[in-house]
Amino acid sequence: DSGVTQTPKHLITATGQRVTLRCSPRSGDLSVYWYQQSLDQGLQFLIQYYNGEERAKGNILERFSAQQFPDLHSELNLSSLELGDSALYFCASSVDPLENNEQFFGPGTRLTVL
Amino acid sequence: SQQGEEDPQALSIQEGENATMNCSYKTSINNLQWYRQNSGRGLVHLILIRSNEREKHSGRLRVTLDTSKKSSSLLITASRAADTASYFCATDGSYNFNKFYFGSGTKLNVKP
Repeated sequence: DSGVTQTPKHLITATGQRVTLRCSPRSGDLSVYWYQQSLDQGLQFLIQYYNGEERAKGNILERFSAQQFPDLHSELNLSSLELGDSALYFCASSVDPLENNEQFFGPGTRLTVL
Repeated sequence: SQQGEEDPQALSIQEGENATMNCSYKTSINNLQWYRQNSGRGLVHLILIRSNEREKHSGRLRVTLDTSKKSSSLLITASRAADTASYFCATDGSYNFNKFYFGSGTKLNVKP
């Protein structure tokens, strides 16, 4: 158990819908990362937050957005969903990227878009 | 793209044998990390090697880094069936250590 929690574990929805994935980092970790893992794309970095502020953006679509709240939990919002958005979404946390960006991964949310 | 690439894509060995996986990347890094993923589950951090280090050990794991060749290798000695998993290398960017790039992974199968 990494100490990172993600909810829900599974999500099934229809095209065009909007969903919110939630992540709670390990106690004491200030940085949260979001990744998408699909069969044909591998593990793609989406976005990173540090203590409430966006720090880095990867291959995140405009239909996707994220935020990190004062209590450090983070949410990833996916809207206008398409079939191709079906994937495993992972959240990871780390203490401080400057010192050591070893990341601890949550169990993931499996999103299925029908 | 910065993305690391692992080689081979798949590796099948007998229990007790050593497994070697390679990772190549394209641009300068601050550090390189190796992660393991059991099927459909979250990734587990194995080892981090900094750009000024050449070799690192952790239990049965040995990682090397050659920044001149932009490559790293992960050696698992005396493999066990429980080592069966996918292994990924991950690199940050020396200009933006907040961005993380994972390779496509090596699928290791250790036969009992």
